[in-house]
Amino acid sequence: GNSVTQMEGPVTLSEEAFLTINCTYTATGYPSLFWYVQYPGEGLQLLLKATKADDKGSNKGFEATYRKETTSFHLEKGSVQVSDSAVYFCALADRGSTLGRLYFGRGTQLTVWP
Amino acid sequence: NAGVTQTPKFQVLKTGQSMTLQCAQDMNHNSMYWYRQDPGMGLRLIYYSASEGTTDKGEVPNGYNVSRLNKREFSLRLESAAPSQTSVYFCASSTFSKGDTEAFFGQGTRLTVV
Repeated sequence: GNSVTQMEGPVTLSEEAFLTINCTYTATGYPSLFWYVQYPGEGLQLLLKATKADDKGSNKGFEATYRKETTSFHLEKGSVQVSDSAVYFCALADRGSTLGRLYFGRGTQLTVWP
Repeated sequence: NAGVTQTPKFQVLKTGQSMTLQCAQDMNHNSMYWYRQDPGMGLRLIYYSASEGTTDKGEVPNGYNVSRLNKREFSLRLESAAPSQTSVYFCASSTFSKGDTEAFFGQGTRLTVV
């Protein structure tokens, strides 16, 4: 079946530190991969995505590369800011299904201190 | 451009009471979803609807019912609320095109059952 495993949180960093949040997946087909971000009190917003192997998604300084050989999609940012404090969710969608359903990891809480 | 709109934003129920969470999207998406978010559990799918007139159970459907009233609206009903249903509920809709999926989320309904 389809499932996503992401690193346990919470993650606490100082401003300008390097961020990595690990995500690995299991999929029956060829999935699309996503990172969603949830700021306090808000819904989920798409941060970035990649639809095939070796694609790199990027947005707002965040990057993630679709690694089929390691079934991973780790989120990275070179220099985090206080405003990046949020919960980050890794997710996949089965490209073979027209439903478009997402399978989510459990989320990783990131707190950035000034 | 409203996207996905959920009402209400907050609700407190007594055990045994009923209520309906409303969701509407204005993006002409076929697929709609209801998720619940609990600490450390990520987002779990309650019900989904692949198209107008169809609904299917997700991972945690017990205690809930849904109605896909038309293409825009997808409501979630709790017939007899229980404290275990205290959670944050998110409605989402998605588009599927050429093997690519993108999901959009509402702001969430924070429900407390006492």
